[in-house]
Amino acid sequence: DQQVKQNSPSLSVQEGRISILNCDYTNSMFDYFLWYKKYPAEGPTFLISISSIKDKNEDGRFTVFLNKSAKHLSLHIVPSQPGDSAVYFCAAIDSGGYQKVTFGTGTKLQVIP
Amino acid sequence: KAGVTQTPRYLIKTRGQQVTLSCSPISGHRSVSWYQQTPGQGLQFLFEYFSETQRNKGNFPGRFSGRQFSNSRSEMNVSTLELGDSALYLCASSPGGVGYGYTFGSGTRLTVV
Repeated sequence: DQQVKQNSPSLSVQEGRISILNCDYTNSMFDYFLWYKKYPAEGPTFLISISSIKDKNEDGRFTVFLNKSAKHLSLHIVPSQPGDSAVYFCAAIDSGGYQKVTFGTGTKLQVIP
Repeated sequence: KAGVTQTPRYLIKTRGQQVTLSCSPISGHRSVSWYQQTPGQGLQFLFEYFSETQRNKGNFPGRFSGRQFSNSRSEMNVSTLELGDSALYLCASSPGGVGYGYTFGSGTRLTVV
């Protein structure tokens, strides 16, 4: 049972344009969400997070949007750069569940120069 | 500040053998989580330890076990290895409170032949 889903396995975007990565979840108990970036042969790197009491969080070129009613979150990268090419994982936490983190299957982003 | 260290980086084992993987978290981090990454399956949660106690466990068979020592270092053991256990095993550490991003190690690539 995949509680966190990233339905697009891959995405290609031109350099300078916006990248939008999407994530859907089914467990209404999730109250904290994170995005990670992963390069080959490295562990995932934490990017940005959002609490369920917010609907938007911004950090430089990265913005995460949360739509609780739709159980959907998205990561916007503007402008996209070739160095952003990586696999992006969204993750969700049920803070009442001792922080068990559930990850999505990942979206491979390719930014074309 | 040293990151999360996982040893060994690569491992080749034969079916039926057992294996022990090691993870040294960031100094001061009390939570250590383990994940299995396989192509198409994303990051599957194995278990999480906090102050030597297992707080969470994923849906893996009993062949997968772990422990955490008083210095927060953690080990993961897989007994009676199967071909399907071939994966990248990632360890992540966190101070332990909700909302902290997890810091991942580079992983141990296990190949079962």
